Amino acid sequence: DAKTTQPPSMDCAEGRAANLPCNHSTISGNEYVYWYRQIHSQGPQYIIHGLKNNETNEMASLIITEDRKSSTLILPHATLRDTAVYYCIVPAYNQGGKLIFGQGTELSVKP
Amino acid sequence: GAGVSQSPRYKVAKRGQDVALRCDPISGHVSLFWYQQALGQGPEFLTYFQNEAQLDKSGLPSDRFFAERPEGSVSTLKIQRTQQEDSAVYLCASSLWAPPNTEAFFGQGTRLTVV
Repeated sequence: DAKTTQPPSMDCAEGRAANLPCNHSTISGNEYVYWYRQIHSQGPQYIIHGLKNNETNEMASLIITEDRKSSTLILPHATLRDTAVYYCIVPAYNQGGKLIFGQGTELSVKP
Repeated sequence: GAGVSQSPRYKVAKRGQDVALRCDPISGHVSLFWYQQALGQGPEFLTYFQNEAQLDKSGLPSDRFFAERPEGSVSTLKIQRTQQEDSAVYLCASSLWAPPNTEAFFGQGTRLTVV
């Protein structure tokens, strides 16, 4: 499966953009990149996903490099409520497409 | 309801006791997943249903763990003869279609403590 690598932790000032990187150098051509986040004591929450093109929704933007070996999740104006663990996941076709969570990035948004 | 509902939210079991955890997925969702999350760790996959068929149970840690979804909607995760290492949050998720190009919606989880 396409293993992902994320920094274990990051800080961001409130109101600034949070840019969370993810490496997935072994991704296959038809595998999507998904981002979820988990706020303390809650279930994971879907944020965004993409295949090749950059994607944007009301929560975030996803920038995928042209070679698809890495991506960046952008929270344009981080708030204290965005403090959470962020998971970058590439569901593998050869594993039935199930979500395999790694350790994620613990994002702390500070006032 | 609007989201995935799990019950109970909290369960304390004595070692050796059997427990049953319930998941009500979003109505009409084809896929249902169970995950186990130990303290400080990411969720770990347990099993996957497509409608009533259990297509993947590769993550179930032992034969004490059993899951079912008999009518393709509500699912139950049963743990027999609970042990202390079973203490974790058990998460259920559902998605409209079969993976991989489909987002999953998670419930709040059931926190199981085995004493």
